[in-house]
Amino acid sequence: GAGVSQTPSNKVTEKGKYVELRCDPISGHTALYWYRQSLGQGPEFLIYFQGTGAADDSGLPNDRFFAVRPEGSVSTLKIQRTERGDSAVYLCASSQDRVSDGYTFGSGTRLTVV
Amino acid sequence: QKEVEQNSGPLSVPEGAIASLNCTYSDRGSQSFFWYRQYSGKSPELIMSIYSNGDKEDGRFTAQLNKASQYVSLLIRDSQPSDSATYLCAVKGYLRSYIPTFGRGTSLIVHP
Repeated sequence: GAGVSQTPSNKVTEKGKYVELRCDPISGHTALYWYRQSLGQGPEFLIYFQGTGAADDSGLPNDRFFAVRPEGSVSTLKIQRTERGDSAVYLCASSQDRVSDGYTFGSGTRLTVV
Repeated sequence: QKEVEQNSGPLSVPEGAIASLNCTYSDRGSQSFFWYRQYSGKSPELIMSIYSNGDKEDGRFTAQLNKASQYVSLLIRDSQPSDSATYLCAVKGYLRSYIPTFGRGTSLIVHP
């Protein structure tokens, strides 16, 4: 597509529930990144995919968070047993060249855990 | 010490003035440097990238990089109220596998 698409744009869920957030990167971009941004903070790295594999998942805060990219394009971030502290904007970005390129971010998913 | 540091601001400048935004980073091996603009409620948008020491100009924006001092800055000339936003500095380097690390951003307010 023309840009990075994220769905849903907003998600409200109850504490303890499971959620999935979807990211559709720019066509041809092999690198895909998930970030989380809390109010007043910069984006915080979660996980990076190169193709289908998770090249670096060191930013995932705990084992409740998991992400997949089975065909090397669309990615899904999965959060189990959500907690109120998971509330944030989840940003997805893609790039063609992981070394030099800057990112194109999607519009984000605002997750609110109540 | 945080990997990428920015003063959170707000930085307030009058319309038409030069706004100067600063960023320092800790990884001496960093190779790529970026400035993103983020309007309230929106996602970050890439506005400048710089890879070598010196200045890089693009319209009203100038990015400046000094690797010896581990310092990167963004100058906005003839600031407009529409420039009011948060400006995020991001740094890529080998030590972090070229995954960008972001600062917390500096809030810029341009008042008429």
